[in-house]
Amino acid sequence: DVKVTQSSRYLVKRTGEKVFLECVQDMDHENMFWYRQDPGLGLRLIYFSYDVKMKEKGDIPEGYSVSREKKERFSLILESASTNQTSMYLCASSLGLPFEQYFGPGTRLTVT
Amino acid sequence: QQQVKQSPQSLIVQKGGISIINCAYENTAFDYFPWYQQFPGKGPALLIAIRPDVSEKKEGRFTISFNKSAKQFSLHIMDSQPGDSATYFCAASWTGANNLFFGTGTRLTVIP
Repeated sequence: DVKVTQSSRYLVKRTGEKVFLECVQDMDHENMFWYRQDPGLGLRLIYFSYDVKMKEKGDIPEGYSVSREKKERFSLILESASTNQTSMYLCASSLGLPFEQYFGPGTRLTVT
Repeated sequence: QQQVKQSPQSLIVQKGGISIINCAYENTAFDYFPWYQQFPGKGPALLIAIRPDVSEKKEGRFTISFNKSAKQFSLHIMDSQPGDSATYFCAASWTGANNLFFGTGTRLTVIP
């Protein structure tokens, strides 16, 4: 049974702080993704990685960076958190299309 | 620019009724159309998917209808149940791609 875990369910940070969101998958998937979910906007892709140390920008990469040093772990970094980054962040992994993406439970980040 | 347009944003259906969610796309290269279901507090999970070589796919009470000429596809939930209350996302991509393009989501509420 595929499992994608995210380091925190809820996180509150202050404006300007550096924020790390961690994601781990246990199915040896090549592809990992970070999305943000906002009401009325659906799931928007921030970054994805198709291999260790490889990354590609998604639709909304501004203000974010990522790190993938090991196959099972994909980190999302907010270099200097801002209030407009308050959102639900979802991590996912997959073998690649047309295989399904498996999502973690999400991290609700509030930046004050 | 939204690659996949989804409607309605929210839907209320009586128990036993039919729920219908519609999606439209422009990119004719898309050849994979999944639907994801998300319950509160959980990440999305794959519900059902279709390829454009068939016009309909049914799994239990869930059916995807696909109209290639109109570039539209829809999810029908027959005999809707309160347990179907969730947010539904359509998505699209092409085989060999790494990422999915998601619609904006439909929040379905089935009232007893």
